[in-house]
Amino acid sequence: AQTVTQSQPEMSVQEAETVTLSCTYDTSENNYYLFWYKQPPSRQMILVIRQEAYKQQNATENRFSVNFQKAAKSFSLKISDSQLGDTAMYFCAFMRDYGGATNKLIFGTGTLLAVQP
Amino acid sequence: SAVISQKPSRDICQRGTSLTIQCQVDSQVTMMFWYRQQPGQSLTLIATANQGSEATYESGFVIDKFPISRPNLTFSTLTVSNMSPEDSSIYLCSGRDREINGELFFGEGSRLTVL
Repeated sequence: AQTVTQSQPEMSVQEAETVTLSCTYDTSENNYYLFWYKQPPSRQMILVIRQEAYKQQNATENRFSVNFQKAAKSFSLKISDSQLGDTAMYFCAFMRDYGGATNKLIFGTGTLLAVQP
Repeated sequence: SAVISQKPSRDICQRGTSLTIQCQVDSQVTMMFWYRQQPGQSLTLIATANQGSEATYESGFVIDKFPISRPNLTFSTLTVSNMSPEDSSIYLCSGRDREINGELFFGEGSRLTVL
């Protein structure tokens, strides 16, 4: 069975600085997707960034980028120029790719990020 | 991506009662997924709901406790039956966007407190 591990329950960063959130996963699959979701206090889960396992290039979305190390099964999220609005719980998630709509997301335990003014 | 409207946003319920959570999507989605998020914890998948067929439940979740309906491609409900304080959680519905492979989009969640 697949598992997703986030070893940092809480992190803090100063506004405008850079922070990296860690995620590791365990799978024997070769085709899969990885995601980072953000859940602010409003509870709305928001997709931050996604990575297809077959792509060697690390995904980037504005201030958010990932370091995807497939052999090491590591998928860290880097947030540059942190903003107060980045304060949220961040979940790493894994999904096997069977090419079907029933593929399920498996979530890690989350990292609570606090951006300090 | 699509938008899910979920209600109720929150509710306080008495032990032994049942509550139905509704999710309305602004576009057609093939699969919808129901998650539970207990206080301070991660998301756990309850079941997967396909239109016109019975939901598929994950280990530890049963239909009698969490009946799900999926009458069409834009709507689903989850009922939490015979509630106990252990059912106090946030319940989230989600759907898969046909245009973006893999990504799930979520409703805003329903926070249930059972007294």
